[in-house]
Amino acid sequence: GAGVSQSPRYKVAKRGQDVALRCDPISGHVSLFWYQQALGQGPEFLTYFQNEAQLDKSGLPSDRFFAERPEGSVSTLKIQRTQQEDSAVYLCASSFRGGTGELFFGEGSRLTVL
Amino acid sequence: QQQVKQSPQSLIVQKGGISIINCAYENTAFDYFPWYQQFPGKGPALLIAIRPDVSEKKEGRFTISFNKSAKQFSLHIMDSQPGDSATYFCAASFNDMRFGAGTRLTVKP
Repeated sequence: GAGVSQSPRYKVAKRGQDVALRCDPISGHVSLFWYQQALGQGPEFLTYFQNEAQLDKSGLPSDRFFAERPEGSVSTLKIQRTQQEDSAVYLCASSFRGGTGELFFGEGSRLTVL
Repeated sequence: QQQVKQSPQSLIVQKGGISIINCAYENTAFDYFPWYQQFPGKGPALLIAIRPDVSEKKEGRFTISFNKSAKQFSLHIMDSQPGDSATYFCAASFNDMRFGAGTRLTVKP
């Protein structure tokens, strides 16, 4: 497809399980961003890649969160030992180049931790 | 921690009225100020954006007003329509992009 694709769209995990969320950016887009959006809140920055380089991971809430983009295209956000407070929508966005400019968002992965 | 502060949290406007949403930022390194629109179950989508070298940008019914000295910018929606009912986010960007907490707009017919 032409847009940013995220999978799975919905994930239910038991507390303590590990989860992996996938993002397929728009082909050729250099920059990739992960955001966490709690219900009724704005997207909170998690991490940012330019090609395969993770330039900023200051928003990752704990060392249980890990993101990678090994070939500069598809990215995976991994959450280890999930907690109830991790329940949120995880949004991925990509942009054509580095620096500022329009972000194109996927529809998100909704994670519910029981 | 919100680097961009947005108000109001919610807004109800009659059809045909003007909707106004405000944002303030602190980091003077920001050089791109977009507004995103989000419908339930969807990701945010760019509505309109401005760079700090201009004070106003208009696209159709949507206008951004930008005040660099006050570090504030606002979105005006003219002739608001029920289809405009959504959540609106301001944002500010330097390398990465930071978002406000959102304004839920309801336009009553």
